[in-house]
Amino acid sequence: EVQLVQSGAEVKKPGESLKISCQGSGYSFSTSYIGWVRQMPGKGLEWMGVIFPADSSVRYRPSFQGQVTISVDKSINTAYLQWSSLKASDTAMYYCAKEAWGGVEYWGQGTLVTVPS
Amino acid sequence: QSALTQPRSVSGSPGQSVTISCTGTSSDVGGYNYVSWYQQYPGKVPKVMIYDVSRRPSGVPDRFSGSKSGNTASLTISGLQAEDEADYYCSSYAGHYNIGVFGGGTKLTVL
Repeated sequence: EVQLVQSGAEVKKPGESLKISCQGSGYSFSTSYIGWVRQMPGKGLEWMGVIFPADSSVRYRPSFQGQVTISVDKSINTAYLQWSSLKASDTAMYYCAKEAWGGVEYWGQGTLVTVPS
Repeated sequence: QSALTQPRSVSGSPGQSVTISCTGTSSDVGGYNYVSWYQQYPGKVPKVMIYDVSRRPSGVPDRFSGSKSGNTASLTISGLQAEDEADYYCSSYAGHYNIGVFGGGTKLTVL
């Protein structure tokens, strides 16, 4: 059974850094794309970027390039999404997703990030 | 890279059929047979209902069907049920940026 298990909810202050995680199991983690999807409160879904664990190559949606960092540790089947300086506008639910040709095959349970203004 | 265009809302009565459209360009929907549809209840994780334009994952009722013509994909729900009331999103591979793109979402109301 494919599972993507994400780290827990976070409440951070503006300017703080944050790294959230997503551990995959039940499939070949290294040879499957995995990515992050943002859903701001009351809004739609947005792809942020995807990574190929085998070679750590990353593709970012242009609007997220330079705003976040996607990385992976394939030795523990875990992908990460990282911010160096959070803003109130980063408040959102973040889903990790096993990606296939632009779509999502499997979803993580979501990590709520709250950055009060 | 713009989101795919979906109607903000659609509605139908129980037993009826509704169709939700998803319009893109030749660089995404029109260029590839990689359109997916997702159902999301408030506060819940999205669920894959259709992938590769018209394929259904196991467990998804055959009341849900997908199709594509040119740059527009469609999700049709037949025999509408109260439990189908949810938000629906489409996605497509977008070759120009080599990453997927979602539609803005459609709220389905069952009257």
